Amino acid sequence: GAGVSQTPSNKVTEKGKYVELRCDPISGHTALYWYRQSLGQGPEFLIYFQGTGAADDSGLPNDRFFAVRPEGSVSTLKIQRTERGDSAVYLCASSLGRGGWTSGGEQYFGPGTRLTVT
Amino acid sequence: GENVEQHPSTLSVQEGDSAVIKCTYSDSASNYFPWYKQELGKGPQLIIDIRSNVGEKKDQRIAVTLNKTAKHFSLHITETQPEDSAVYFCAARNFGNEKLTFGTGTRLTIIP
Repeated sequence: GAGVSQTPSNKVTEKGKYVELRCDPISGHTALYWYRQSLGQGPEFLIYFQGTGAADDSGLPNDRFFAVRPEGSVSTLKIQRTERGDSAVYLCASSLGRGGWTSGGEQYFGPGTRLTVT
Repeated sequence: GENVEQHPSTLSVQEGDSAVIKCTYSDSASNYFPWYKQELGKGPQLIIDIRSNVGEKKDQRIAVTLNKTAKHFSLHITETQPEDSAVYFCAARNFGNEKLTFGTGTRLTIIP
């Protein structure tokens, strides 16, 4: 079946501009996650949605970053007043929800959006 | 919060030999440990995971071992093939906290 999709695959923007990054999760997955991956590093957690609500946004670096998931499926990560330090690959993942001792909670990642702020 | 350390950062092995990547974690409450493979320009791909109620899990040429007491876990790849070349990441979390904490990655190169 179809995996997690993200658009655009690449985004180049000027410092100070606003950008939106989109994520389409695997059909039926109730949980959705955003991570950010800098060059040579592992992904770092940004925010987690369960359904329509943000259950944990502790990883958002500052108030320039915001994410929504209005209908519990597609999510948009929004970055205002972009800075050069925001340049990274933004990854989205989805899962069936909370894991347990035998299964569940596995997170499946999309291909990412490479954001470059010039 | 959780901290995950991963070693080595780079690893080269001859085709057909075994590769081992090790991770340590800091939070004793962590109970779920996935491993991801990431190829250039792609997102991380889940290849195997283990929960803390077992000590070992195997899937064909890939196995993961977990030592809860020492708080470390390892990925073992046997009979390596050129297509195993990629960056591998370990991660940890507990069931009550949905965010994954990743290690810094290991670049594995299989030498034909």
